[in-house]
Amino acid sequence: NAGVTQTPKFRVLKTGQSMTLLCAQDMNHEYMYWYRQDPGMGLRLIHYSVGEGTTAKGEVPDGYNVSRLKKQNFLLGLESAAPSQTSVYFCASSYALRTGELFFGEGSRLTVL
Amino acid sequence: GESVGLHLPTLSVQEGDNSIINCAYSNSASDYFIWYKQESGKGPQFIIDIRSNMDKRQGQRVTVLLNKTVKHLSLQIAATQPGDSAVYFCAENIGQREYGNKLVFGAGTILRVKS
Repeated sequence: NAGVTQTPKFRVLKTGQSMTLLCAQDMNHEYMYWYRQDPGMGLRLIHYSVGEGTTAKGEVPDGYNVSRLKKQNFLLGLESAAPSQTSVYFCASSYALRTGELFFGEGSRLTVL
Repeated sequence: GESVGLHLPTLSVQEGDNSIINCAYSNSASDYFIWYKQESGKGPQFIIDIRSNMDKRQGQRVTVLLNKTVKHLSLQIAATQPGDSAVYFCAENIGQREYGNKLVFGAGTILRVKS
């Protein structure tokens, strides 16, 4: 049971390039989330999904897009990367509404030059 | 907007001692709080949660206390071990029924355990 798997784990981009982070979970969870973590700022919610085919904006959605075409996958896209998007990105999933128990992946470290 | 924050950014304790990590919140209507542990290079891991209808909740070697009067919660770790060294986050769940879970995280407290 792998839990939540993120790919890639590390990536370096040049300003203006695009990329997609992939999150896959094998727990049949309905809810999935993308967070970013910056030093001294905890985790901030970018986008989330309450089910296959649905997505919604979180706290800091600008510059990102997401898709949830399959229940087990949640993709985070950067169309035109900026240095301000240098961060560690975490995907998470949860099995129920109003539970604070999220299952996180190991993170994807993105550097934008 | 609402926020969750921490008093102490770094806490150093001797192995075997008890640790207390504090967290303050600003929204008096908040009703659900969660503690997470994050080890270096890993994703956050759920420790324990507490709802506002409780003042205290215990887990394995951990206790969370909630004081709604002063909008403060704490995480107590008994007999702290080297494996407890990590960053600890408190989080508030502000999710609405149709929006699933929306957690607002504090900045984190670093716990260092000295052997």
